[in-house]
Amino acid sequence: LAKTTQPISMDSYEGQEVNITCSHNNIATNDYITWYQQFPSQGPRFIIQGYKTKVTNEVASLFIPADRKSSTLSLPRVSLSDTAVYYCLVGDGGPARQLTFGSGTQLTVLP
Amino acid sequence: DGGITQSPKYLFRKEGQNVTLSCEQNLNHDAMYWYRQDPGQGLRLIYYSQIVNDFQKGDIAEGYSVSREKKESFPLTVTSAQKNPTAFYLCASSPRGTGPSNEQYFGPGTRLTVT
Repeated sequence: LAKTTQPISMDSYEGQEVNITCSHNNIATNDYITWYQQFPSQGPRFIIQGYKTKVTNEVASLFIPADRKSSTLSLPRVSLSDTAVYYCLVGDGGPARQLTFGSGTQLTVLP
Repeated sequence: DGGITQSPKYLFRKEGQNVTLSCEQNLNHDAMYWYRQDPGQGLRLIYYSQIVNDFQKGDIAEGYSVSREKKESFPLTVTSAQKNPTAFYLCASSPRGTGPSNEQYFGPGTRLTVT
């Protein structure tokens, strides 16, 4: 099972770009990288998913280098409402036993 | 309006009592999950179900039980055997498979307090 490592916390200021990196050294060939966002006392919400190179949607970008041993979630021009915990998950469509959310990264956006 | 509903939002019970948490989805998803979250921690998988009448244990199934008699419903019972039941419980569903690459949709959660 691919284990992931993320920073425990990060601070940023409104309007800045934030990059959160996730390490997954033993990622398997069929594994995808998926990021979720969770606000306090709510369920997580899917943000973005990728397999290689770069993926962009209306919320974020996901950068994955060629060796796929890490990935970076990029949030452009953050606002106070982006303060949340961000989780990186790695795995394929197989059994749910791969589902490990870990402790995530607490992002705090300051005014 | 499609989504996942969990009820109640807050639940209080005395130690030694079983309690059942409700989870219903109208997304027509095959797979459903139950997670537990403790303060400052990530989510831990309790049980998951890929299809009706089938479910599998997750990482922390001891002291919990589930059923999946209908596609849209996946209730979780917290039994008196669960040593530390006070936690935030989250239900989720995904369209097909149960692995991490399947996007999960989460409910609003139930906060259970046992005293």
